[in-house]
Order: sequence, then C-alpha cells, then structure tokens
Amino acid sequence: GESVGLHLPTLSVQEGDNSIINCAYSNSASDYFIWYKQESGKGPQFIIDIRSNMDKRQGQRVTVLLNKTVKHLSLQIAATQPGDSAVYFCAEKAPPGFQKLVFGTGTRLLVSP
Amino acid sequence: GAGVSQSPSNKVTEKGKDVELRCDPISGHTALYWYRQSLGQGLEFLIYFQGNSAPDKSGLPSDRFSAERTGGSVSTLTIQRTQQEDSAVYLCASSQGQLRTEAFFGQGTRLTVV
Repeated sequence: GESVGLHLPTLSVQEGDNSIINCAYSNSASDYFIWYKQESGKGPQFIIDIRSNMDKRQGQRVTVLLNKTVKHLSLQIAATQPGDSAVYFCAEKAPPGFQKLVFGTGTRLLVSP
Repeated sequence: GAGVSQSPSNKVTEKGKDVELRCDPISGHTALYWYRQSLGQGLEFLIYFQGNSAPDKSGLPSDRFSAERTGGSVSTLTIQRTQQEDSAVYLCASSQGQLRTEAFFGQGTRLTVV
C-alpha cells in the first residue's frame, strides 16, 4: 500500500510567511493531481487540483506547481495562517484506468502565531 | 446527501469479532474509494468501486477484508475476525467517476480492536 512511516515530515513556519510543501509522485503516466488538507480528526479536504497538461495553477492563496520531468508537485501557500496548520497530502490518478487515487507521503504544516 | 457520510463514527470491538463499516457517497457519484489511515500515517488504498463493480481490490490487506456496493450507492466494508492491527481510521471517498474529478471524503470511522 501507500502507507508511510510513523513520523510525517514537518514544516514549521511563522504566521504571514509563505509555505512550500513538496511531493514526489510515483507514476510518470499519471494525468491528474490533487492536494488535500487534513485537520486532526477529520477527513481530507480538497484544496486544489491540476491536470498534466498544465505546469501551474492558482487558487485563493494557494498555487500548485507540476514538474513532470522529475515527477514533482509543490503546494505554495501565501501568507500562511494558523488555520492552515494541518497535514497536507498530494494524490495522483494513476493508470490503469486513471480512477485509482494514490496518495503520497503527507507533510505536517505547523504555523506559529 | 450534501457530503459523504460514514457510520458509525467510532467503533470499539473485541478481537475476533466481525465489523461492518458503512459509506453513503454523494448522490450521483459513481466512483467510491475506501482507505485506511493508521495514527500519524498516510492513506493506504484498500479498494475502489466504479458503480457496483470493483475493478481494483489490490489494497485489501487480507481475505478477512471484503467490500460491496449495491445500487451504485451505499458501500459496506466488512472486516472478519478483527485483529488489533486492524485498528485505524477507515475513510471513504466518492467522485463523479470521470477521469479528472476530485474525490470527496467522509469523516471516517475510527475502529478500535481491543
């Protein structure tokens, strides 16, 4: 499966800073990618998505960058707020069928006031 | 309903007992996913449904785990003869089933095997 070890990587930032969370995905043929935010005790919540024919997409305070050459995704959060503290996961829709949603290693974001 | 609904939200069971976890997807969503998340870990894929069929069961950990979906809607994940290592949060998600649409998650069922 795609489970990871007990200790998720952690990114600690100050409120107001910009945050960058990175993710390496597994399948070069994947054509759709999603970032999810998971707060304690809750299910993952959709943040932003990007298709493989794009290299950048912007939302409100968030930007996703896709580098297919090195199979790398990043999530940039502008002016990070304490409410952004959560675990962030990237996910890809992989072949065959491009319906199976495969999650990458999560990153814990801690925002200090 | 407005979102993905899972029940129960919490379940404590004795080792060796069977449990059933239920997922009500968003109305009209044809794709349904089950994941398992152990404490402090990532999401482990279990099974995926498209309609009532399960084209991908590759993540089911053992033959004690099974899932079904009826009427293209509600799904049940069954764990037989539960073991302590089955303790985790079981998450369900649904999507419209098209290639490039996001999946929406329920709040999960926290299963504790004692």
